[in-house]
Amino acid sequence: NAGVMQNPRHLVRRRGQEARLRCSPMKGHSHVYWYRQLPEEGLKFMVYLQKENIIDESGMPKERFSAEFPKEGPSILRIQQVVRGDSAAYFCASSSRDRDYEQYFGPGTRLTVT
Amino acid sequence: SQKIEQNSEALNIQEGKTATLTCNYTNYSPAYLQWYRQDPGRGPVFLLLIRENEKEKRKERLKVTFDTTLKQSLFHITASQPADSATYLCALQAGSARQLTFGSGTQLTVLP
Repeated sequence: NAGVMQNPRHLVRRRGQEARLRCSPMKGHSHVYWYRQLPEEGLKFMVYLQKENIIDESGMPKERFSAEFPKEGPSILRIQQVVRGDSAAYFCASSSRDRDYEQYFGPGTRLTVT
Repeated sequence: SQKIEQNSEALNIQEGKTATLTCNYTNYSPAYLQWYRQDPGRGPVFLLLIRENEKEKRKERLKVTFDTTLKQSLFHITASQPADSATYLCALQAGSARQLTFGSGTQLTVLP
């Protein structure tokens, strides 16, 4: 029973490049959440998606960041024109529709911007 | 503004003792309170969830209490083992929103 999968596990980008982070939820889960953990800081909510819908993006920076969860395929968190301050661990979590208060996290993608 | 505080950044205890971690919150009315474990370089692992109308929850060596009057949760690990060493995160969730708001965590070290 595969858990939440994220790839890549490590991503290095130069300033100004684009970063694409992928998340495949647990089997049977239709809700996806993205969180960011900056160095020496706690986990912060970014966005909550269901298939083809953004439900809550109150934690997303207004510019350069976007997320999607298409009907087929993984959820994607996209960061355009990355800056050094984007360096962090990005975690995806998923939950089922009938137990949507229990979130299961993936291993994270560690983004380093040089 | 909403604030979640976990009692200390680091806690060291002797193997076999009970570890008690504290989570206090202000300006929040959570429907659920959750505890997660996080090891270095890994994602948080869900441990226990307690609802606002529940006082206590147990799972094997773990026990969580939830006092909505004091706005506090206590997380206990009995008969602690070195393998319990990790960072433990408290997270709150409002009834209408699904996002989790996390505390900064307590790093627990169980000494053999």
